[in-house]
Amino acid sequence: KAGVTQTPRYLIKTRGQQVTLSCSPISGHRSVSWYQQTPGQGLQFLFEYFSETQRNKGNFPGRFSGRQFSNSRSEMNVSTLELGDSALYLCASSLGVGLSSGANVLTFGAGSRLTVL
Amino acid sequence: DAKTTQPPSMDCAEGRAANLPCNHSTISGNEYVYWYRQIHSQGPQYIIHGLKNNETNEMASLIITEDRKSSTLILPHATLRDTAVYYCIVRVGSGSGNTGKLIFGQGTTLQVKP
Repeated sequence: KAGVTQTPRYLIKTRGQQVTLSCSPISGHRSVSWYQQTPGQGLQFLFEYFSETQRNKGNFPGRFSGRQFSNSRSEMNVSTLELGDSALYLCASSLGVGLSSGANVLTFGAGSRLTVL
Repeated sequence: DAKTTQPPSMDCAEGRAANLPCNHSTISGNEYVYWYRQIHSQGPQYIIHGLKNNETNEMASLIITEDRKSSTLILPHATLRDTAVYYCIVRVGSGSGNTGKLIFGQGTTLQVKP
């Protein structure tokens, strides 16, 4: 089956602009999570959406937002970009429900690499 | 903060077993140990998880101590393609823990050498 698809893979923006990243989860997965990865901070959790509702949120400013659609596809948006927002943004999907510990296994996409100039 | 402690780096000879340790002394009774790895510039990849029994799949084996305060991921015959950062994560397995939130530490960089 198809994996987690993230678009675009690479993008360059300038300070002050905004960006939207897209994530298509594995078919049947209802949870989509977003992570930011930088050399200095490592992998950090941004937020999670489940059934179109934000279920968890990490410690990021309000410039970072997201949403999930009825087909479980998700987008995240970063407004008023800063140089420090340059990072690899990773999306992961999982079943999100169920009694099996396997329901918590996350499948990650290849990421969207954002460069802010 | 991450609830696990891992050595920052390890080397392994190609074809030999790679044993990656992880300490999780504060693990709760309902928390599982999950292992992921990240090959350079790719998304993390799930490897294996377990609660208290040893587990094995096509990728690796997971050995959890009886007191569950530590575990070891074993790659039985390491190849150059196993060079990656390996993350050990503890979290609730299901029920109210069914979330997509993982807390990553710094992981262990495994370098497999020819």
